[in-house]
Amino acid sequence: NAGVTQTPKFQVLKTGQSMTLQCAQDMNHEYMSWYRQDPGMGLRLIHYSVGAGITDQGEVPNGYNVSRSTTEDFPLRLLSAAPSQTSVYFCASSRKEVDTQYFGPGTRLTVL
Amino acid sequence: AQSVTQLGSHVSVSEGALVLLRCNYSSSVPPYLFWYVQYPNQGLQLLLKYTTGATLVKGINGFEAEFKKSETSFHLTKPSAHMSDAAEYFCAVSVTGANSKLTFGKGITLSVRP
Repeated sequence: NAGVTQTPKFQVLKTGQSMTLQCAQDMNHEYMSWYRQDPGMGLRLIHYSVGAGITDQGEVPNGYNVSRSTTEDFPLRLLSAAPSQTSVYFCASSRKEVDTQYFGPGTRLTVL
Repeated sequence: AQSVTQLGSHVSVSEGALVLLRCNYSSSVPPYLFWYVQYPNQGLQLLLKYTTGATLVKGINGFEAEFKKSETSFHLTKPSAHMSDAAEYFCAVSVTGANSKLTFGKGITLSVRP
């Protein structure tokens, strides 16, 4: 098993550009989530999904969109990047919400 | 809603010394508690977790934590620090029910001095 994979590892955007961060898992986990990690802030939940076709907002959803068309994939879209979205983004998955979450290696995003 | 408090942002210990990282939580229902470790430029890895049952939980790399309901605490300990323990440590809480999402503390950076 590859576990949770994320692409790209690094990305630099200009303000106003759009992009999609990819996340995939091969563990047949129902629950997937996106976090952002900022210095001194810990990890904050952006969006999550409890299964294909079902998504919901987390603590900091503004500026981000998600969809879940398959169990395996959970992409995160930035429609119009802003410098405040400079962060490290982690995708995670688990069998259910109250269970051990497995994290991907992260995507380091810089918005100029 | 649940929350986690990790006091202080940095702990420094000597190699071979006791490691104690503090975590307090707030929850209106019985919590599930987790400790994750993050090595530089990597994702998070589970160290240990408490769900139900025995309150002293043993994890990987010699770490353990004790759930104390009366103190709403879940402190992480290791009897003897190793240089390889230098990392950032996150405490997290989740609860069953409608608000069953994982909430993280702000993290503590552990440094180990030779």
